[in-house]
Amino acid sequence: NAGVTQTPKFQVLKTGQSMTLQCAQDMNHNSMYWYRQDPGMGLRLIYYSASEGTTDKGEVPNGYNVSRLNKREFSLRLESAAPSQTSVYFCASSDTGGPYEQYFGPGTRLTVT
Amino acid sequence: GENVEQHPSTLSVQEGDSAVIKCTYSDSASNYFPWYKQELGKRPQLIIDIRSNVGEKKDQRIAVTLNKTAKHFSLHITETQPEDSAVYFCAAPPRRGSNYKLTFGKGTLLTVNP
Repeated sequence: NAGVTQTPKFQVLKTGQSMTLQCAQDMNHNSMYWYRQDPGMGLRLIYYSASEGTTDKGEVPNGYNVSRLNKREFSLRLESAAPSQTSVYFCASSDTGGPYEQYFGPGTRLTVT
Repeated sequence: GENVEQHPSTLSVQEGDSAVIKCTYSDSASNYFPWYKQELGKRPQLIIDIRSNVGEKKDQRIAVTLNKTAKHFSLHITETQPEDSAVYFCAAPPRRGSNYKLTFGKGTLLTVNP
């Protein structure tokens, strides 16, 4: 099993450009998440999807959109990138009904200039 | 929503010493408390978790204690080793029935000096 995979691993964007971060899991989990990690700020939830067909805002959703394409895939889109979105982005998945361990992908390091 | 405070933000210990990291949470309905470890450049991984129906859980050199009255839980690492050096995150769900959705603390950078 590959677990949780993310693409790309690194990305540099100019202000105003758009891009989509891809995430897939092969553990048959219902729930999927997108976090951003900034120095000293921990892991902050951007959006989550408790099940296929549903998405909800997390703590810091502004400037982002998501799509739960199917049970395996959950993408994060930046429509108009800003320097404040420079961060490391992690996708994660878990079982909604438990156990509640979240499995993280390897992360995407995004720089917006 | 849930508010999770984690202390200290950095902790430096000598190899073989113990390390303790503490977290407080705000929602008294929270009933699941995990701890994640993130090594430099790697993804976070669960190392131990506790449910609200027990006060302590151990797994070899790590343990977690929970005080529901005071709304705090702590990670204890005994006989620390250099490979324990990492950032540790606590987390709590915002309300009962939503254990799958977590609020994370800001993390503690633990350095174990040989």
